[in-house]
Amino acid sequence: GQQVMQIPQYQHVQEGEDFTTYCNSSTTLSNIQWYKQRPGGHPVFLIQLVKSGEVKKQKRLTFQFGEAKKNSSLHITATQTTDVGTYFCAGGNAGNMLTFGGGTRLMVKP
Amino acid sequence: DAGVIQSPRHEVTEMGQEVTLRCKPISGHNSLFWYRQTMMRGLELLIYFNNNVPIDDSGMPEDRFSAKMPNASFSTLKIQPSEPRDSAVYFCASSLVFQDIFSGANVLTFGAGSRLTVL
Repeated sequence: GQQVMQIPQYQHVQEGEDFTTYCNSSTTLSNIQWYKQRPGGHPVFLIQLVKSGEVKKQKRLTFQFGEAKKNSSLHITATQTTDVGTYFCAGGNAGNMLTFGGGTRLMVKP
Repeated sequence: DAGVIQSPRHEVTEMGQEVTLRCKPISGHNSLFWYRQTMMRGLELLIYFNNNVPIDDSGMPEDRFSAKMPNASFSTLKIQPSEPRDSAVYFCASSLVFQDIFSGANVLTFGAGSRLTVL
């Protein structure tokens, strides 16, 4: 079945440093979604990418979808303490089913 | 809209007891998902309903787990009998699934979760 891997599992950064998490799928995806889960909270939808090579920005967050639609990345510029949490990618297939990656837990030292 | 509503938020029970978790999806959403989250296994999809019909229950761990969706506004996840290894946070999520995958299909709205501890 479809597998979605995320690296790294954990990342400690100093406030102001950049952060990137990578997502790789074993199969070609129809779309990719990103969610953020704050400590003690629930996953919250951030963005969806559909087109090959697509790049979208949300303030300091930049999301990319690979040309082959098998990988994606989330980059945060100049992290802030409010960025703390676990970031999940979720790959969608033609049947509209989502497979979540294991998540990357981001910790920011002030 | 109040979002996806789950109850109870916390449940502590003893091994062997029956546990029932409840979920009210967002009005108008046609799909409902139950997920389990643990440190070891991450987010696992347990079961998926579309228009109140179970579509994929391959993630349900074993016969002790059952889920129902008697109508569009209510779903339950039942564990009987419960075991300590069932301790986890159980999330319900709902979405509006379109036939056209380019329509922003399948964006999930999660509930706040039910934290289950089985002693």
